[in-house]
Amino acid sequence: QQPVQSPQAVILREGEDAVINCSSSKALYSVHWYRQKHGEAPVFLMILLKGGEQKGHDKISASFNEKKQQSSLYLTASQLSYSGTYFCGTAYSGGGADGLTFGKGTHLIIQP
Amino acid sequence: EAGVVQSPRYKIIEKKQPVAFWCNPISGHNTLYWYRQNLGQGPELLIRYENEEAVDDSQLPKDRFSAERLKGVDSTLKIQPAELGDSAVYLCASSLGSRTNEQFFGPGTRLTVL
Repeated sequence: QQPVQSPQAVILREGEDAVINCSSSKALYSVHWYRQKHGEAPVFLMILLKGGEQKGHDKISASFNEKKQQSSLYLTASQLSYSGTYFCGTAYSGGGADGLTFGKGTHLIIQP
Repeated sequence: EAGVVQSPRYKIIEKKQPVAFWCNPISGHNTLYWYRQNLGQGPELLIRYENEEAVDDSQLPKDRFSAERLKGVDSTLKIQPAELGDSAVYLCASSLGSRTNEQFFGPGTRLTVL
C-alpha cells in the first residue's frame, strides 16, 4: 500500500523551515527519503530504520515514529537548492533489499 | 565512482513497436531494480534482481514486459508491443542489498509512445 505524503505542495521563502510527512497504514521496517529535481533522477537523502531513530545532516533531518508508522522530514533555513519534489519510499520487511513503495511526492518551491 | 548508467535517455516510438532499455549498475551492487515513474507520481517497482535472479517480479506486466540480467551485472528491460499507456520514465536503481538498502538511481529513460 502506498504511503501518504503531506502536504502535496509547499511554497517557502528562502530561510524558512518546512516539514514533510509520510504515513503508512502498514507496519514499516524502513523509510527512505529522496529529492528529485525536474527531469533528473531521485537523489538519496537518508534512510531511517524502525526503532524511532532520528537522523540529519547539514540542515536536513528526519525522524521515524514507529508507533504511528510515520516519518517526517525537516528542512531548516531552506535554501534555493532545496527546491524539488520530495518522495518517501517505504520498505515493510527487513529482508535487506526490498523494492520501495513510494508516496506521490511533495513539491517544494523555495523563493528568494 | 561512476553512478548508475542508463541508455537511451529518450525514446520515441509508435504504439505496437518494441523497445528496450539498458542499465549498468554501480560496480559491486548485487541488487538491481527497475522502476516506472508516471508524470506527477512516485516511482513504482517493476522488478528486482539479486545477482542474475529475478526475486520480485510481481508487479511486472508479463504479457508485454520482460527483463533479464545476464551475468548479474547489466540489465535490459523490454516492452513488446508498446502501448500508449507505457509512456513514462523508466528508472534503474542499484544497491548493495544490505540491511540499510540505500538505493541509487540512474537518470532514467523517458519513453514516449505515439
